[in-house]
Parts: sequence; C-alpha cells; structure tokens
Amino acid sequence: DGGITQSPKYLFRKEGQNVTLSCEQNLNHDAMYWYRQDPGQGLRLIYYSQIVNDFQKGDIAEGYSVSREKKESFPLTVTSAQKNPTAFYLCASRDSSDTQYFGPGTRLTVL
Amino acid sequence: AQSVTQLGSHVSVSEGALVLLRCNYSSSVPPYLFWYVQYPNQGLQLLLKYTSAATLVKGINGFEAEFKKSETSFHLTKPSAHMSDAAEYFCAVSEHTGRRALTFGSGTRLQVQP
Repeated sequence: DGGITQSPKYLFRKEGQNVTLSCEQNLNHDAMYWYRQDPGQGLRLIYYSQIVNDFQKGDIAEGYSVSREKKESFPLTVTSAQKNPTAFYLCASRDSSDTQYFGPGTRLTVL
Repeated sequence: AQSVTQLGSHVSVSEGALVLLRCNYSSSVPPYLFWYVQYPNQGLQLLLKYTSAATLVKGINGFEAEFKKSETSFHLTKPSAHMSDAAEYFCAVSEHTGRRALTFGSGTRLQVQP
C-alpha cells in the first residue's frame, strides 16, 4: 500500500527539549510539506521540500527545523525556541497534478 | 496572495437532509481548489479537486462541488447526509507555481443529527 506514515501518533515534550517528528512516504513524490493545525484554524505551512537535499521555510518556520536527506523521509524537529508547540502536525507529499496527500498526524503536547 | 474563507465554523443537518458547506477563495491566477475531510485525530483525506477541466466536480462518498468563477466560490454539497459524514471539512487553494503549497480555510465542522 502506498502512503504516508507519521510517528509517533502522540508525543509529549518537556520545556526546553527538542523533539523530532517522523514522516515517511512511499509514493515516490519529490515534494513534501509540514503543516501545523491548531483548534479552530486551518493548516499553516511550516516547511517544504521540492527535492532531496533542498528545503525552504514556510509561513511559520520559527522554532522548527527539517532535513531532507532521502526522498522518502522528511523529519521535523521542534526546538526549544518554539514558544507554543502544542498542536497537531501533519505531513504531506505532492504529486505531479498538485494534489497533496496527508499522513495521519502527530499530536504534540508540552508538559 | 491567496486566501480561502469558509462561512460557518459549525453546520448541523438532519440525517437525509442536504449538506451545503460554503467556500469562497481569492486568487490572482486561475486556482486549483480542493476539499478535504478530517475525522477526529486523523489526517486529511481528499474528497475532490478542481483543476479547470469541468466546473462541476464529483468526489468520493457522494460529495460534489461547483466552481463558480463569477462568485469566486467552490461550495461543497451532498444531497442526503449520512451519520458517517460527521467530520471537519477544509477547503483549500493551491499555489500551482512556486512553492505549490496549499492555503486552507479555517474549516467547517459538520454535525449530522439522527
């Protein structure tokens, strides 16, 4: 089955801690995206990557970092510099028709 | 800059009634438009998309949407609601150049009453 997997499903972070969210896809898509979802709001773009070894900041990149060493993988690190990291994080990949497919999400909670 | 407005953060209908979820967009170029559905604590699932081929787009689970350029609208409809349709629905517009990211509306939560 082709798709996108995210892990873990739930993540708890202590103050001052960095945490990394995993995103893997086997759809053979070049482009991948990270979005943040807060209650009552739509999704906002954190980072995106259009090709391996290249990535760009989105609209709310402060306090986050990414890497794209493999086509299949696009991990997101939430650093201690992110002041309000509690949210639902969604990873997506994009096909050649500009359709984005989403993973199941990771819910991050700060303790 | 693109934007999406979804009128009504909550919509409640009776089972078997018409579902109408509203979406208006702003885009400086002909848009690609999408509707996604999200069930609690899950990712987004694509319902349908408009990419200029036909103004009436049919999607999964009996949903359809009509692109109206003059009204800059892309409303989602379903003739007869089912209990399983209860979820949150997001309208999105694509930047089909440059970073090609999606800009989302704030979502509409659909409740279906028995």
